[in-house]
Amino acid sequence: DADVTQTPRNRITKTGKRIMLECSQTKGHDRMYWYRQDPGLGLRLIYYSFDVKDINKGEISDGYSVSRQAQAKFSLSLESAIPNQTALYFCATQWGLNTEAFFGQGTRLTVV
Amino acid sequence: AQRVTQPEKLLSVFKGAPVELKCNYSYSGSPELFWYVQYSRQRLQLLLRHISRESIKGFTADLNKGETSFHLKKPFAQEEDSAMYYCALYNTDKLIFGTGTRLQVFP
Repeated sequence: DADVTQTPRNRITKTGKRIMLECSQTKGHDRMYWYRQDPGLGLRLIYYSFDVKDINKGEISDGYSVSRQAQAKFSLSLESAIPNQTALYFCATQWGLNTEAFFGQGTRLTVV
Repeated sequence: AQRVTQPEKLLSVFKGAPVELKCNYSYSGSPELFWYVQYSRQRLQLLLRHISRESIKGFTADLNKGETSFHLKKPFAQEEDSAMYYCALYNTDKLIFGTGTRLQVFP
């Protein structure tokens, strides 16, 4: 079944560690997004990509980096994790303009 | 700047009562607006979009350009409607979300 899959689902890491969150999709969509969800703040856009050679910053990209290794894969990295990056992270995919976005199950990240 | 505002963090109603979840936006062009829903332990999913003008699970939303609003309505709430609801705006090249409203429907 075509889907959007995030790994890991849960992760606890220490302050200062590098961590990578991965997203893969079998929908064949060109656009991929990374959001973080915090209580009271909703979903905020971190990075987005329209194809393998296209990477764009969202509203809260500081402290994060991304890699679009293939059309189907979009990874989010925290180079040096800090506690206020503790959040629920969502990957989403979309085909073309103004269409439905499909979300992964989310990755719950805790930085201690 | 383009923005989506959902003024209510929590909305509590009893089963059978009408529901209105508010969404206001700021956008200079013609907006493309959506409502997404997140049920407990499930991923976000599209509920409806303004261009389709359809009713999903009894919910409707009308775009009011004069008031820059896209409120979500349902005449009779059901317990299974309890969820987190996000209004979203497609802004040229990305999808922007509001802060969300949690709807609680009591029996």
